[in-house]
Amino acid sequence: QSALTQPASVSGSPGQSITISCTGTSSDVGYYNYVSWYQQHPGKAPKLILYDVTHRPSGVSNRFSGSKSGNTASLTISGLQAEDEADYYCSSYSTTTFDIFGGGTKVTVL
Amino acid sequence: QVHLQESGPGLVKPSETLSLTCTVSGDSASRYYWTWIRQPAGKGLEWIGRVYTSGGSNLNPSLKSRVTMSVDTSKKQFSLNLSAVTAADTAVYYCARGLALGNWYYFDSWGQGTLVTVSS
Repeated sequence: QSALTQPASVSGSPGQSITISCTGTSSDVGYYNYVSWYQQHPGKAPKLILYDVTHRPSGVSNRFSGSKSGNTASLTISGLQAEDEADYYCSSYSTTTFDIFGGGTKVTVL
Repeated sequence: QVHLQESGPGLVKPSETLSLTCTVSGDSASRYYWTWIRQPAGKGLEWIGRVYTSGGSNLNPSLKSRVTMSVDTSKKQFSLNLSAVTAADTAVYYCARGLALGNWYYFDSWGQGTLVTVSS
């Protein structure tokens, strides 16, 4: 099964808001609200920043928010900061592969 | 604070079996499921599979024929074996904990990752 579809890159200036989309199918993103997002800085392991589409683990900034409509989930980063420059991956439960990731989006802070 | 550490050979010859172990410290290995995820250089994450403390597992269909996973709760370790490797299996391999959050399980703790290169 192909990875979930994410834009390869998104950029924004400090203080701006950006949104990253994650498109799947009715067998994964659209099936349940079991969508999560991970942030990965270069050379580091990914870090969970959102789960169940909209929920933030303890300690994650409230500048990160999530939503979902049909087969597409979205991550919004508000008040963009230099430290937000990283790769972001969505993930979803899948009825065929149990877990599936998106291809990743590189966020650049201009 | 849970800590996960991958260990195993960094170089594997083509057609041989890649074997990795993840050691868990700071928490029990018996209350979650444990996952392997890999990432080729410059590419995205690929879910390999997960193993339960019961010993059962769910595997990525694309790798299922080559993958076995096991868990040893007494040693707080879980393992990955990937057979008949090729250069396409060269990647950083991560182990991660699947924690029940909200309505599902999510990867809340990760090892630092270990690079495995397949080459003769």
